[in-house]
Amino acid sequence: EVQLLESGGGLVQPGGSLRLSCAASGFTFSSYAMSWVRQAPGKGLEWVSAISGSGGSTYYADSVKGRFTISRDNSKNTLYLQMNSLRAEDTAVYYCAKALWSDPSGGMDVWGQGTTVTVSS
Amino acid sequence: QSVLTQPPSVSGAPGQRVTISCTGSSSNIGAGYDVHWYQQLPGTAPKLLIYGNSNRPSGVPDRFSGSKSGTSASLAISGLQAEDEADYYCQSYDSSLSGYVFGTGTKVTVL
Repeated sequence: EVQLLESGGGLVQPGGSLRLSCAASGFTFSSYAMSWVRQAPGKGLEWVSAISGSGGSTYYADSVKGRFTISRDNSKNTLYLQMNSLRAEDTAVYYCAKALWSDPSGGMDVWGQGTTVTVSS
Repeated sequence: QSVLTQPPSVSGAPGQRVTISCTGSSSNIGAGYDVHWYQQLPGTAPKLLIYGNSNRPSGVPDRFSGSKSGTSASLAISGLQAEDEADYYCQSYDSSLSGYVFGTGTKVTVL
């Protein structure tokens, strides 16, 4: 069964850091691009970042550029999101999602259950 | 504020057909980038409904269909059912932002 399992969310103070992980199983992880998508409480979906299957290409939303870093370890079938300089507006449920292809241009056909990040003092 | 605009809500009676528009610009849909559609049931993760403008993943009922023309795209739901009550989002790539974007989202209500 194809599955994505996020972890690493929690409560962090403004200006703090957090690293999210997404463990993948049931498919050839290195063959597919992966993305992070977030959803603030009561709001719509916001694409955050994406990475190609090889890890050679990364993409970021303007709202997180320079603060967040996406990476992947294809030997461990795991996707990461390092989040620094966190702000209150980063509070959201963070989903990892698998792309249809090795680049992120296709749709995202598998989603994790999400992990909650709360930025508050 | 998203660059892809959707109506906040649409509604219809069971069995009816509803459509959801996704209006973009020359830097996203109008530039030829593919549009994808997602369904999000309350309290759950999004689910891919349509990819590449008009393709359905396996398991998605053929009641759902997608189309694209110019700077806009549409999702149609025919034979509306109670279980279709959910939020729906379009998604594409924007060259001005150099990133992927979601639409503002549309809540579908089955009357």
